[in-house]
Amino acid sequence: DAGVTQSPTHLIKTRGQHVTLRCSPISGHKSVSWYQQVLGQGPQFIFQYYEKEERGRGNFPDRFSARQFPNYSSELNVNALLLGDSALYLCASSWDDQNTQYFGPGTRLTVL
Amino acid sequence: SQKIEQNSEALNIQEGKTATLTCNYTNYSPAYLQWYRQDPGRGPVFLLLIRENEKEKRKERLKVTFDTTLKQSLFHITASQPADSATYLCALGGGRGSNYKLTFGKGTLLTVNP
Repeated sequence: DAGVTQSPTHLIKTRGQHVTLRCSPISGHKSVSWYQQVLGQGPQFIFQYYEKEERGRGNFPDRFSARQFPNYSSELNVNALLLGDSALYLCASSWDDQNTQYFGPGTRLTVL
Repeated sequence: SQKIEQNSEALNIQEGKTATLTCNYTNYSPAYLQWYRQDPGRGPVFLLLIRENEKEKRKERLKVTFDTTLKQSLFHITASQPADSATYLCALGGGRGSNYKLTFGKGTLLTVNP
């Protein structure tokens, strides 16, 4: 079975631009969560979606938004990019919102 | 605020020895604790989950303990191999007000020397 997939793998943007990251969960998983990981730190929670509804939001500015589609895939959008947004963005899926989360390979975002 | 500390940023051991990693937390009552392995530039890989009512869990060469009184988890890798070299992350979840998110420690970089 395919694991969590994310696209693109790498992305380079300049300050002020907008970016959209995509995630496809493991088949049968209904919950998707997004995390940001900067170098040397553990992943930081951004959003969790379950059955297309936002279930939780971390301490991130309104420039960050996300949504989940009927097929349970998800998008993370970041507007007005800052240098500090450079990080590995991780998507994780789980069967529901209370179980083990399985991570994708991540999208490496570099903001210049 | 919730705080998770993993005992050291880096741990070096000899092949064949047991690696013991520590995860301590404060201001949190998690429903479960998970350990992940992460290789450079890759996403975390799930290893083990232990719930608040469990004391110990094993999987092959891995063992996790969970002491909710001490607010501590220990993660052991027995008969360590160079292939076990990676960063190991502790993550807590499911507690009151957590919205079922995972809260991670910074990780411990384990190096197993041949």
